[in-house]
This record gives sequence, structure tokens and C-alpha cells, in this order.
Amino acid sequence: EPEVTQTPSHQVTQMGQEVILRCVPISNHLYFYWYRQILGQKVEFLVSFYNNEISEKSEIFDDQFSVERPDGSNFTLKIRSTKLEDSAMYFCASSTLRDNEQFFGPGTRLTVL
Amino acid sequence: GQQVMQIPQYQHVQEGEDFTTYCNSSTTLSNIQWYKQRPGGHPVFLIQLVKSGEVKKQKRLTFQFGEAKKNSSLHITATQTTDVGTYFCAAGANSKLTFGKGITLSVRP
Repeated sequence: EPEVTQTPSHQVTQMGQEVILRCVPISNHLYFYWYRQILGQKVEFLVSFYNNEISEKSEIFDDQFSVERPDGSNFTLKIRSTKLEDSAMYFCASSTLRDNEQFFGPGTRLTVL
Repeated sequence: GQQVMQIPQYQHVQEGEDFTTYCNSSTTLSNIQWYKQRPGGHPVFLIQLVKSGEVKKQKRLTFQFGEAKKNSSLHITATQTTDVGTYFCAAGANSKLTFGKGITLSVRP
């Protein structure tokens, strides 16, 4: 069964450093998403991406964040200058159509020291 | 933006008991989705409800969308230990999901 994959599973970084989180969505899906989940809290929407551009973004997704689809398979989230409060689990998801069920990857746990 | 409320955040049941949880919104929702997250895992899609009053069943799970499309319920019949996890409802609109805080279900064997 096709699945969303994410790398790395765990990333530790120093405050102020740049990180890139990688995702490979399911191959025939058209919509891609990033969410984050601070430990023990709810899943929060960051951004959605369709047709090589951002469709929607939340207030969390400020100028420190960017997304890119550098080739036909990868979808990346970059955080330019990490803060302590960026520590969270970051989930990538994809769907065939807008507002359809979303398939989540296993997540990348980001720890900012 | 859309917000969905899930209260309480935790519920403990004895194996074999039924379980019901609710998801409420102050605004009309275009659709509601339910996800389950096991401890240490990622959200896994369970169901999507779109129509007013819609009821869908998956084995022991029954999902309902309110007539006014402002609330939804999840009912589990005869809970099993495999039902443990956090159940989130999420309002879907404009290519994003807005999640509730979830309810964490524990089942005593």
C-alpha cells in the first residue's frame, strides 16, 4: 500500500540553525500539507501546496518557513532560523483532491536546543 | 477561521463498554473528518462526513454528522483494547484541516 515517507525521523539542531525536513508524498496525489504537533497537543495546520504554489497557510507559517517541491517526488519544509518553540513533531500529508482524506507520514521529531 | 471543540480530553472505559465522543463547532462545517492517532504514531484517517445528518459505520464505529452540520459524533460499540488512542475530529475547508484537541481513550482490560 502506498504511503507518505518522511526523513529524518528525528532532527536535533541548535537554536538559530536552518533545518530542512523532507517528505515524499504518495505518487498520484496532488495536494501536499505540513502540520506540526507540539508534544501532547493538537495537530496544527501549517501550509498546503498545490500545483507548485502555496494554497493556504496559517499564522504559524511566517517568514521563517518555506516549502518547496524541488523535483517530482520530494516536498520539503525549511525553517530558516529555528527557535526553541519550533520543537515539535512535523507531519507531512498528501491527498488526491482538495478536502479529501489526507494520508499522513510518520513524522519528523524536531528538537531545538 | 473554523474551530472545532472536543471535550473532554480524556476518557477511560472498561473493555466491552460503549464509548461516545462529540465534536462541536459554532459555525457550519463543509465537511468533518475523523482521525485516530495511536501513542507515538501519526494521524490515520477514519472517515469523512459531508452531508447533513449523514451516518457512516465501520465495524464497531459509528460516525454521525449533525443536521445543522455544526457537530459530529463518534460511537464505539463494545470497546476493545485495540481502540486505545487519541481520536481527533477535523474540519476540512479550503485545502486545510483544522483539528480539535482530540480525546484520548484508554480501555481497561
